[in-house]
This record gives sequence, C-alpha cells and structure tokens, in this order.
Amino acid sequence: DQQVKQNSPSLSVQEGRISILNCDYTNSMFDYFLWYKKYPAEGPTFLISISSIKDKNEDGRFTVFLNKSAKHLSLHIVPSQPGDSAVYFCAASENDYKLSFGAGTTVTVRA
Amino acid sequence: DADVTQTPRNRITKTGKRIMLECSQTKGHDRMYWYRQDPGLGLRLIYYSFDVKDINKGEISDGYSVSRQAQAKFSLSLESAIPNQTALYFCATSDSTQRMGDTQYFGPGTRLTVL
Repeated sequence: DQQVKQNSPSLSVQEGRISILNCDYTNSMFDYFLWYKKYPAEGPTFLISISSIKDKNEDGRFTVFLNKSAKHLSLHIVPSQPGDSAVYFCAASENDYKLSFGAGTTVTVRA
Repeated sequence: DADVTQTPRNRITKTGKRIMLECSQTKGHDRMYWYRQDPGLGLRLIYYSFDVKDINKGEISDGYSVSRQAQAKFSLSLESAIPNQTALYFCATSDSTQRMGDTQYFGPGTRLTVL
C-alpha cells in the first residue's frame, strides 16, 4: 500500500504561470519530505526538501509547503519555465533513511 | 564525471538468465540503495546498505540479491530473470554524516528488459 500518493499524474501549465504539485501521505511518522525532478533517460535529481518542524521552505523559484495536520505537501514553481518540464516525485522519510516515493507527476510547460 | 554511475545503461536478456547491475559512486557516501521504477508506481526500494557489512531488504527484494563489494560499489543481481522484472533500475547514495542525511543522490538508471 503506497504511503505517499501523487493523485495527479500530469499537469500542463503555461510558461510564466505557477505550477502547483500536490502530494498526500498516510504515515504520521514521516518527518522529512523531499521533491525530486526527473528528465527522460536520467536519474531523479534532488530539488528541495522540508523538515516536519517547518511548514515552508523556499529555494529560488521553488517553494514547498507542508500541512502536517492534513498530511499534505505541495510544491510551487513560480514562474514556470520550459526547462521545468519533467516528472516530479514526492518522497518521505521517517528518520530511517529509507525513502517512500509517490508515483510522480509529469509537468509540461507550454510556451 | 558523474558522481553515481551505473552499468550497463541498457540490457536485454532472456527469462532464466542471471544478470548483474553495477553501481559505483565517487561521492564518498556510506549508504547505498537500489530501486526499481515501474509506470504508475514510482520508485520502490529493493535493497539498501548502510555500510559494507550492513545489507537490508527493502519492500520488494524477492528475486533479487545484492553485494556491497566496497564502500563505493553496490551491485544488484537477478539470479533467474523473469519478464515482470522488466523495469528501470536506479542506484542511489546518501551520507549519514550530513544533517539532511535522508537526501539521496541517484545514478542515471539501467533499463532492463527481460524477454
């Protein structure tokens, strides 16, 4: 049973607009959350993370929000650029260094 | 040069064959992992190793075995490949001494097809 769920398999957004990717989790013991970005024929690359003691973390155009009570996190990309077209994976850890991954959301940024 | 390398990048094999996928890293990390990716399922953990003498099963270890030959090398073996092991396989590393030691760094992947 998947403990991390990304319910939107795909997202299409116009260049310059905001992309919002969502992720839900069921394990209340998760205390560290990550987003990875994956291009075709490459491995996932680390994008941004957030500890459970925070509710927001920013890195340039990328912001991750964590709502622990709802067991929900989201990734905002502002503004979206063509190079952001990729598959985005949400992942979570419960302090044992094993990551549980969501199924991924494919983002397409339209010119 | 890439920090985490995987060989081969692509492999086609037949049912029943033994196959080994290799992973090497130059990051100096102590922890290494093997995942497989299937469409609609994300990445699932096969095996992980926290140091050379510590190897653990992940959520889908049946049909697989691993060997940690050195801190920098972690290989995955399919003793008798079957078609449902057709997938994209990723190796990853992490550094337990880092404050955010959960962050894993991935290799480019091996696409395995079992006919």
